[in-house]
Amino acid sequence: IVLTQSPATLSLSPGDRATLSCRASQTFNNYLAWYQQKPGQAPRLLIYDASNRATGIPARFSGSGSGTDFTLTISSLEPEDFALYYCQQRFIWPLTFGGGTKVEIK
Amino acid sequence: EVHLVQSGGVLVKPGGSLRLSCAASGFTFETYAMTWVRQAPGKGLEWVSSISSTSLYIYYADSVKGRFTISRDNAENSLYLQMNSLRADDTAVYYCARGRYSSSWDFDYWGQGTLVTVSS
Repeated sequence: IVLTQSPATLSLSPGDRATLSCRASQTFNNYLAWYQQKPGQAPRLLIYDASNRATGIPARFSGSGSGTDFTLTISSLEPEDFALYYCQQRFIWPLTFGGGTKVEIK
Repeated sequence: EVHLVQSGGVLVKPGGSLRLSCAASGFTFETYAMTWVRQAPGKGLEWVSSISSTSLYIYYADSVKGRFTISRDNAENSLYLQMNSLRADDTAVYYCARGRYSSSWDFDYWGQGTLVTVSS
């Protein structure tokens, strides 16, 4: 399954709403995760099974979608949210990641 | 507290071999699936290999199949990646990651990463 993330870069200001897209090359169930990665750090799990927040993740992060279209929404960007975001499917081998969306400060 | 501590970075010549290690603590290692993910410089994440909790199920990306071997020692709480016939395009930061539960293939804890540089 090829995961295509869009846009590649999102230029926003603190307090803005961010909407990140992950589109799959074929339909699958909700076995989709979202990760955040900051420079020089390992990824951090944000969302699993499309819409479940991982432990300790703030409520401003939410996931939705099904089939081939999935969305990560950050309701109001905090300064620490400017980072790279990846989606990943675990429905079928090989496991695959999307190419990433960079959320940068406008 | 969960910790995944990886071995240090290294420079290897093309065609060479290397074994990465990942030492786990703070959880019952033998009950979790484990995975290696890599990230080439300036690039995105790439899944490399996964192993189930009992080593019954093992999976590899096509790019490393036949060259890399994943293993684990549940008595030592350790995960390994034996890398043979290394190529320049294997240059990356390699992360070990824990499955979210025993047979899950999304990842809730990650190691700090090991930089592997393949160059002559």
